Order: sequence, then structure tokens, then C-alpha cells
Amino acid sequence: KNEVEQSPQNLTAQEGEFITINCSYSVGISALHWLQQHPGGGIVSLFMLSSGKKKHGRLIATINIQEKHSSLHITASHPRDSAVYICAVGPLNFGKGTSLLVTP
Amino acid sequence: NAGVTQTPKFRILKIGQSMTLQCTQDMNHNYMYWYRQDPGMGLKLIYYSVGAGITDKGEVPNGYNVSRSTTEDFPLRLELAAPSQTSVYFCASSYEGSHLTYNSPLHFGNGTRLTVT
Repeated sequence: KNEVEQSPQNLTAQEGEFITINCSYSVGISALHWLQQHPGGGIVSLFMLSSGKKKHGRLIATINIQEKHSSLHITASHPRDSAVYICAVGPLNFGKGTSLLVTP
Repeated sequence: NAGVTQTPKFRILKIGQSMTLQCTQDMNHNYMYWYRQDPGMGLKLIYYSVGAGITDKGEVPNGYNVSRSTTEDFPLRLELAAPSQTSVYFCASSYEGSHLTYNSPLHFGNGTRLTVT
């Protein structure tokens, strides 16, 4: 059983829509990471969270430690946001990713 | 800063051949990790290192070896390539962490796409 579950697996949105990607985990953590993998394959770190909320541009990440749940929100989505978004809570615990396609 | 540099980007191997995937970071990070990524699966940890001279197995170490002679370099060796090793390989580093946690932001290389035929 994977200890990190992401939903949805796939998501298609129209440009401008508000997007939410969810991550639930079952292990104790010190920090949760949101990563972005573009179609070219490279992986970049978006957020590292241990509590509360962080914002970077149109991206917002929240975490509820008691409920073992995190969300990644994208406001005013744009086609360049199309990518796979991955939640990780440690070197052994990655979600399978959420594939996002934003259409014009 | 170059960050994490992986070479090569692509490679095709015949069954039984060997090769080394190179990974170098210039951020003075103690923690380095090798992952493989297969379609529809999450990243799987192959090996990790907490500092020069120290390496340990991850979740899927069979068929691979690593070394960490310096802080900067963490090469991954495939001795006898098998079709099951066809995958995309990522090297990553962080300043702090362990085999269970990441306590600082992660930095990834651009990946190596390996095909074994």
C-alpha cells in the first residue's frame, strides 16, 4: 500500500480555472514537498511545508498535519501550468503524481 | 550555480553491458539520492548517501551500485544491464535529511533516459 495518495490522477482544466490537487499520507513527517515535472522530464521543487500555508505567485500549498493532508492550488490556471505535480513526504514516499493539462 | 548535473541524458545499452550514470552537485549538499521513475509509478529510491564515504540501499537497489568518494559526486553503476532497468533515472540532493525525511528543499538533475535492449 502506497503511503502517499494523490488525487486526482489526471485533471483537465480550461485556462483561467482554479485547480486543486490533493495529497494524503499515512506516515509521520517533518516536511511535505510539492514537485513539478514538466513534459521535458525535469523535476523542480515548488514548496516545502511543515505547517500552514505557503504562496508563490499563483500557486498556494496548504497542509493539515493533524489530518495528514495537503493541497496544492493553482489560481487563474494557464497552459504553461500543464505538468505532473508530485507530492513527497520523504525519500521513500512519493505520490504517483497528478497529470494536469490546461487547455486554452 | 549549476545545481545537480546528470550525464548522459540518453543511453541505449545492450543486455549485459555496464555503464555509469554520473551525478554532480555544486551546492555542498550532504544528502544525495538516486531514483528511478517508471510509467505510472512514483519515484523509487535506489540508493542514497548522507555524506562522503557513506551510502545505503533504498527500496530497489538490486542490479545497481553507488559510491560517494566526494561530497559533490554520486555516480550510479549498472553492472549487467537487464531490460527491467529500462527507466528514467534521477539524481537529487538536499542540504538536510535522512533516509526517511527531507528537511530542506530538494534539487533534482534533469534525468537520464536509459533503454536496455
